[in-house]
Amino acid sequence: ETGVTQTPRHLVMGMTNKKSLKCEQHLGHNAMYWYKQSAKKPLELMFVYNFKEQTENNSVPSRFSPECPNSSHLFLHLHTLQPEDSALYLCASSQGSGMGISYNEQFFGPGTRLTVL
Amino acid sequence: SQELEQSPQSLIVQEGKNLTINCTSSKTLYGLYWYKQKYGEGLIFLMMLQKGGEEKSHEKITAKLDEKKQQSSLHITASQPSHAGIYLCGAALGGDSNYQLIWGAGTKLIIKP
Repeated sequence: ETGVTQTPRHLVMGMTNKKSLKCEQHLGHNAMYWYKQSAKKPLELMFVYNFKEQTENNSVPSRFSPECPNSSHLFLHLHTLQPEDSALYLCASSQGSGMGISYNEQFFGPGTRLTVL
Repeated sequence: SQELEQSPQSLIVQEGKNLTINCTSSKTLYGLYWYKQKYGEGLIFLMMLQKGGEEKSHEKITAKLDEKKQQSSLHITASQPSHAGIYLCGAALGGDSNYQLIWGAGTKLIIKP
């Protein structure tokens, strides 16, 4: 596999379920990102990991919990979500800057289409 | 209002015609990205602009950065069906360690055959 991969591609879950989204990058990058994309809204940056350290958390509710075990893998753990959390969740990676958000080009995965019932 | 405004929100263009999409910031731009997205899929990088007055081209797509206007434009020449999709601009605003990375809401481009 090359680039940035995300699994699953589609996920339907109830509000009481616990599920996880997985992202893997094969580009040797050090920074990874989670974004939420809702219909007709700007892309929302949720979390940033730079060299495995979380450097950004844009006021994301605690029902979303990220995990970055190494620079190639990023998870988003989901717990007791709400219907308004239904969206396309995109993962991206880039060369890290060692501090905060990197200006470098971001490579995106295909996304996970999440539906919360 | 959004910090990064894209216009128009949607655009229908006859195949072969030229078109322009704009991205305007309410704050100083420190870097601007253009991406293209097919519906429900990930974003594909087009180009990145960092310096005022910078202009880059890739095939029939040209992007410019007007630092004074805090604006970038994306111009497509002789549009083709393959250009259809959603065009997103993303920008680094602020400076040093305090910058934000934000995105426009996108411009949906439809090419009529």
